[in-house]
Amino acid sequence: QVQLVESGGGVVQPGRSLRLSCAASGFTFSTYAMHWVRQAPGKGLEWVALISHDGGYKYYADSVKGRFTISRDNSKNTLSLQMNNLRVEDTAIYYCTRDRAAAGIPLGNDYWGQGTLVTVSS
Amino acid sequence: QSVLTQPPSVSAAPGQKVSISCSGSSSNIGSNFVSWYQQLPGTAPKLLISDNNKRPSGIPDRFSGSKSGTSATLGITGLQTGDEADYYCGTWDGSLSGWVFGGGTKLTVL
Repeated sequence: QVQLVESGGGVVQPGRSLRLSCAASGFTFSTYAMHWVRQAPGKGLEWVALISHDGGYKYYADSVKGRFTISRDNSKNTLSLQMNNLRVEDTAIYYCTRDRAAAGIPLGNDYWGQGTLVTVSS
Repeated sequence: QSVLTQPPSVSAAPGQKVSISCSGSSSNIGSNFVSWYQQLPGTAPKLLISDNNKRPSGIPDRFSGSKSGTSATLGITGLQTGDEADYYCGTWDGSLSGWVFGGGTKLTVL
């Protein structure tokens, strides 16, 4: 069965960096685009970033553009999110999600991990 | 505020039906498929409807989706207390080159 397991969350000071990882299993990772989606405490879902199946295309929300970098290692079935210059407003649960498409127009997130909490606080 | 507009809350009695709207524009709902997600309290979201109106395996036919122009609707019939959750619509926005979600709708089954 499809499994997405996030790790790397924690408490970090504003301006510092953090790297999230997502270990994928139960499907052919290299044939699906992947997203990061976050949810601030008590708030709604916010899309963060998308990477195509082969890493050739990457898209970012304006709120994280220039600070966050999405990447993937298809040989290790791993998705990553490098977060630099973190802000208090980046505090959220970060979910790794699989898209139903490999590339092109995304079709929607069909599987979600359980999330990892990132808290940015001094 | 969100690119896609949903009502903050809806409510209905057990056994009744409810509709949740999602309003967008020509650059998102008007030109791309819409998905709906259910988030039960304390859990990760789950895909409920894909491609405007398709139910993934395991989703009961009490849940349905439709799209017309730049709006989409999630319908739930035969409401159960276990349906109490937050519901989100989502789609690709070609102008923003990004995925967008609605603000979410909290369903209360009275």
